[in-house]
Amino acid sequence: DAMVIQNPRYQVTQFGKPVTLSCSQTLNHNVMYWYQQKSSQAPKLLFHYYDKDFNNEADTPDNFQSRRPNTSFCFLDIRSPGLGDAAMYLCATSRGSGGAKNIQYFGAGTRLSVL
Amino acid sequence: GESVGLHLPTLSVQEGDNSIINCAYSNSASDYFIWYKQESGKGPQFIIDIRSNMDKRQGQRVTVLLNKTVKHLSLQIAATQPGDSAVYFCAERASGGSYIPTFGRGTSLIVHP
Repeated sequence: DAMVIQNPRYQVTQFGKPVTLSCSQTLNHNVMYWYQQKSSQAPKLLFHYYDKDFNNEADTPDNFQSRRPNTSFCFLDIRSPGLGDAAMYLCATSRGSGGAKNIQYFGAGTRLSVL
Repeated sequence: GESVGLHLPTLSVQEGDNSIINCAYSNSASDYFIWYKQESGKGPQFIIDIRSNMDKRQGQRVTVLLNKTVKHLSLQIAATQPGDSAVYFCAERASGGSYIPTFGRGTSLIVHP
């Protein structure tokens, strides 16, 4: 059974039209992450929540926002998608910090297309 | 649309052969390493991990070797199967820094039947 669930699997939006991607987890993990992955590249961390504590990566554009209303759910909001934002967006969870707690469990991703 | 990405290093092997995927890291403070497998259209999946106080760890059909002297990590897959075809990422975590592992570039493994 899927433990990190992302919806939708495929999302098409128009240039400049806000879009929200969702992620839920059944693992009760403390940490939830959002990554952006483009073709043939490693996942790039956008931000993460450790419980309710939000941590933004320094190079994440302001266009990307996130919400974590509770332990199970986390959302990625792209306020004004540009063509360069077309990518796979991956949600991941981990128990916390230290050793095996760092192991991340990924969802299947949402493929975002921007027209 | 998406920008064109860099070409991934690619390893092509025949089914049944052993595969060795390599990863170099630069941070001598890295103390924990993870290998992930990412199949096409899916998220990365944990395979095996190793701490810096070890130089070898074995799982089912996989072995990770760590050489701290030259900052090199390898993933060995025994009797490679078509289902092993995927992109493999190593990730490292540095002691004293962020607890979030940093992904390496990735290697594409292609297994020919």
